[in-house]
Amino acid sequence: QQQVKQSPQSLIVQKGGISIINCAYENTAFDYFPWYQQFPGKGPALLIAIRPDVSEKKEGRFTISFNKSAKQFSLHIMDSQPGDSATYFCAASKGIGIQGAQKLVFGQGTRLTINP
Amino acid sequence: DAGITQSPRHKVTETGTPVTLRCHQTENHRYMYWYRQDPGHGLRLIHYSYGVKDTDKGEVSDGYSVSRSKTEDFLLTLESATSSQTSVYFCAISETTNAQYFGPGTRLTVT
Repeated sequence: QQQVKQSPQSLIVQKGGISIINCAYENTAFDYFPWYQQFPGKGPALLIAIRPDVSEKKEGRFTISFNKSAKQFSLHIMDSQPGDSATYFCAASKGIGIQGAQKLVFGQGTRLTINP
Repeated sequence: DAGITQSPRHKVTETGTPVTLRCHQTENHRYMYWYRQDPGHGLRLIHYSYGVKDTDKGEVSDGYSVSRSKTEDFLLTLESATSSQTSVYFCAISETTNAQYFGPGTRLTVT
């Protein structure tokens, strides 16, 4: 129940196309769902996040769609650019132990390549 | 990297030796976390802390200990390094109870 399943493992999209990455979870205690972008040799960078009371959130070219009943959420990257080539991780967060600390459970990652 | 530094950035050590990794933040955030990243596993929580006195275990804490004597520093110690602890280690910080921001990572190789 702690797992977050992410697909696909790798994705190749043409420049200008739409990149779509999907995630699914089981534990209904998760209450915050971020996406991270990671470039080689760098730490994960928070890209966009959503709470389960919202079905969609958009920031620039990045959109999260959230389906609470299906326990699924996805990242859409519109007008994909070569600079978007990176590994993307979905995650789900729930409270743990100490005074509001949160545990992030990560998906396995998707390596996205945008061909010019 | 949100005012987070990690040291060292790269380390090679031998099996059985103790190793300490340091995370330093300039954001004065209350929560600090240590994760490890391995291929096929994403990132997994090792230990976390709220303030100076409180630390607790995450899902992969065996073989690791932590200390936080100052708000800005969170140390991860491998008591006796093993080859299974070869990984990339990331520190994260958070002020709110949700958004976590990650440091640049430490690549540790145990030979």
